[in-house]
Amino acid sequence: NAGVTQTPKFQVLKTGQSMTLQCAQDMNHEYMSWYRQDPGMGLRLIHYSVGAGITDQGEVPNGYNVSRSTTEDFPLRLLSAAPSQTSVYFCASSYSGGAHRNTEAFFGQGTRLTVV
Amino acid sequence: GENVEQHPSTLSVQEGDSAVIKCTYSDSASNYFPWYKQELGKGPQLIIDIRSNVGEKKDQRIAVTLNKTAKHFSLHITETQPEDSAVYFCAASRPGTDKLIFGTGTRLQVFP
Repeated sequence: NAGVTQTPKFQVLKTGQSMTLQCAQDMNHEYMSWYRQDPGMGLRLIHYSVGAGITDQGEVPNGYNVSRSTTEDFPLRLLSAAPSQTSVYFCASSYSGGAHRNTEAFFGQGTRLTVV
Repeated sequence: GENVEQHPSTLSVQEGDSAVIKCTYSDSASNYFPWYKQELGKGPQLIIDIRSNVGEKKDQRIAVTLNKTAKHFSLHITETQPEDSAVYFCAASRPGTDKLIFGTGTRLQVFP
């Protein structure tokens, strides 16, 4: 099982450029989310999705867009990159629904993004 | 809003000693409290979790305690080993949602 796969692992962008961070999971999980990890600030939720066609904002959504056209994929788009978006980005997925709410979140290996 | 505070931010212990990491949550409706371990260059991985209907849970050298009245929970690692060195995150979640709010992390170093 591949689990949660993120691509790319590393990326350098110039200020103002746009790009998409890819996330795919093969566990048929309904819930998927994006976090950014910055020193001293832990993991902060950017956007999340409870199923295909449904997305919602987390704690720090500004400057990012998401979509969820399939259960497997949850890409994160940076519309116009800024140096403040330099961070490590993690995608996670978990099984959700009914009595199985609040189950283990599986994380990808992360994407280290630098905006210059 | 929902908030999770975690202390300490760094912790150094001698191999064989115990380590304790504490978290406090603000949302009294939270009912699920997982702990994640993140090794260098990797994504976080669940090591133990506890639900609000339980006061303590143990898994070999790792235990978690929950005090709902005080709204805090703690991770206890006994007989620490060098491979326990990592960053540990606590998190909290409300019922009916999979949204996790994370603490700021604790870097644990275990010296041989």
